[in-house]
Amino acid sequence: GAVVSQHPSRVICKSGTSVKIECRSLDFQATTMFWYRQFPKKSLMLMATSNEGSKATYEQGVEKDKFLINHASLTLSTLTVTSAHPEDSSFYICSARGPGEQPQHFGDGTRLSIL
Amino acid sequence: GQNIDQPTEMTATEGAIVQINCTYQTSGFNGLFWYQQHAGEAPTFLSYNVLDGLEEKGRFSSFLSRSKGYSYLLLKELQMKDSASYLCAVRGRGFQKLVFGTGTRLLVSP
Repeated sequence: GAVVSQHPSRVICKSGTSVKIECRSLDFQATTMFWYRQFPKKSLMLMATSNEGSKATYEQGVEKDKFLINHASLTLSTLTVTSAHPEDSSFYICSARGPGEQPQHFGDGTRLSIL
Repeated sequence: GQNIDQPTEMTATEGAIVQINCTYQTSGFNGLFWYQQHAGEAPTFLSYNVLDGLEEKGRFSSFLSRSKGYSYLLLKELQMKDSASYLCAVRGRGFQKLVFGTGTRLLVSP
């Protein structure tokens, strides 16, 4: 159980393009979803936390207009990187958690490369 | 403030036992988690401790002492496939976000 699906797994696109990444909980209701960014050999950096039906809470230093997060249902959250630039190239990982004390379960990640 | 410390790298031999330590200072405590992450992949959940003591799951065990702000992950009968990063994460007040340590890269050699 507790499967989280993230799509796409890899994106390569030109600078200025907007990229949408989807995160789905397949067999549980994700009341909370998290979006992380990870640079090579570094730990996970939390970008934002989203609760279903509410606006996302962004971490300090993360531009909410640059990284648009939507959590419209209990099984789907999306992250849109708007007008992406080479410095946005990174590994983006979502995680989802059900209610209460349950652990977070991670999607497989999206490797984003902006040329 | 919130701070989680774990060693950057460890090496061990196949078949051996290794202990990865994690110390933490956080505002509020609602559980400590261990995740395994292979290079280029997303983390996978290993264990969860909210009360003091040892939780055993097959070859992996995790220990917690809340008064000392300390946990360890114990890996027994090491296999080559255990070479990965091991992330310690603490959930603070409100059951919301996890704060991750920088991870410990474990290299298992033959």
